[in-house]
Amino acid sequence: KQEVTQIPAALSVPEGENLVLNCSFTDSAIYNLQWFRQDPGKGLTSLLLIQSSQREQTSGRLNASLDKSSGRSTLYIAASQPGDSATYLCAVRPGQAGTALIFGKGTTLSVSS
Amino acid sequence: GAVVSQHPSRVICKSGTSVKIECRSLDFQATTMFWYRQFPKQSLMLMATSNEGSKATYEQGVEKDKFLINHASLTLSTLTVTSAHPEDSSFYICSARELAEKLFFGSGTQLSVL
Repeated sequence: KQEVTQIPAALSVPEGENLVLNCSFTDSAIYNLQWFRQDPGKGLTSLLLIQSSQREQTSGRLNASLDKSSGRSTLYIAASQPGDSATYLCAVRPGQAGTALIFGKGTTLSVSS
Repeated sequence: GAVVSQHPSRVICKSGTSVKIECRSLDFQATTMFWYRQFPKQSLMLMATSNEGSKATYEQGVEKDKFLINHASLTLSTLTVTSAHPEDSSFYICSARELAEKLFFGSGTQLSVL
């Protein structure tokens, strides 16, 4: 059974710092991996999606990498801002077509000004 | 981009009442919709998979008679929490899959049962 783990559970940094969020999954047979942002009591905002054949994706200050063989992904946030404060969720889509995402518990990020 | 509309965004109800949550795909046909539940500081957990025109498939531990799912059309799925109890208080969110296999999420429903 696929399990997704995110470390750390919470992170506090001063504005301007570069940071890395980690995600690991137990079954390397995935269709894709996705990083989301969730603000308190809100839905999900998709940040980056990495297909199983890709190694990384970039969007603005965000960069996500995928090492499928080792079951790991990282989300790199450059020059963090207070507006980046949120919970970041990693989710994998198992290899079968039409399946739902399996989520980690998330990393709650707080960026102080 | 594709939009999934979920209503209501917040609902407070008395114990024993039923609550219906709607999930609509506004500009695409969703052959499959997924319903998730999220307790505070926990991960989103899949409750059930809903396919248009057929019965939903529930995950282990989710009571199908308590969480009624109807996916009557390619743009609408509903989740009804029947005889709600305080332990059902949670954040419920739907996800719709379009033909190109992309997934889109609703904005979620915060249910509080008194």
